[in-house]
Amino acid sequence: AQSVTQLGSHVSVSEGALVLLRCNYSSSVPPYLFWYVQYPNQGLQLLLKYTTGATLVKGINGFEAEFKKSETSFHLTKPSAHMSDAAEYFCAVSVTTGNQFYFGTGTSLTVIP
Amino acid sequence: DAMVIQNPRYQVTQFGKPVTLSCSQTLNHNVMYWYQQKSSQAPKLLFHYYDKDFNNEADTPDNFQSRRPNTSFCFLDIRSPGLGDAAMYLCATSTTGTRTDTQYFGPGTRLTVL
Repeated sequence: AQSVTQLGSHVSVSEGALVLLRCNYSSSVPPYLFWYVQYPNQGLQLLLKYTTGATLVKGINGFEAEFKKSETSFHLTKPSAHMSDAAEYFCAVSVTTGNQFYFGTGTSLTVIP
Repeated sequence: DAMVIQNPRYQVTQFGKPVTLSCSQTLNHNVMYWYQQKSSQAPKLLFHYYDKDFNNEADTPDNFQSRRPNTSFCFLDIRSPGLGDAAMYLCATSTTGTRTDTQYFGPGTRLTVL
């Protein structure tokens, strides 16, 4: 069975501080993992994805994530938060059939000035 | 720019009155998906088309139907909307439907049921 757990439905950071959003997965097959961002009243936009190869993946807007198989994790980080990073972030695992995504329940990021 | 377009962005309907949501894409992708996203929840896949092949999720209610008349367009029909169907409906596309594919999302249609 495939699933994604995002620890912390709400995360607040100060502007300029490190952003860490946690994602753990469960997958019966080698996982392909994605992070999406959703701004209010908008669709989801891909931040980054891990398929194979290098376990540290760099994405847009200064975000990166590291795939750690031993910890079944794919945490999202950004060294310095910006006000424009305030949004909902979803981690997802891709399964075999029909490219179905299983999404986590999301983490709402607030950036405090 | 190539994109996924959803119309309307906001839709209000009455309890039991059929409603159709529209999605179009200029990406020429083979696969189109419909997700339902309720407030503060993860998007939930309702069904997807691989080209003309329709794939329904096992737990998608019969009240939800879909049509894909051509590569570019896909419609979500809700035959008799209930209050519990109020949600954001997201359309997405991907090139081939393989596991490594990125899904490209439209901006969504927010459905209100009165």
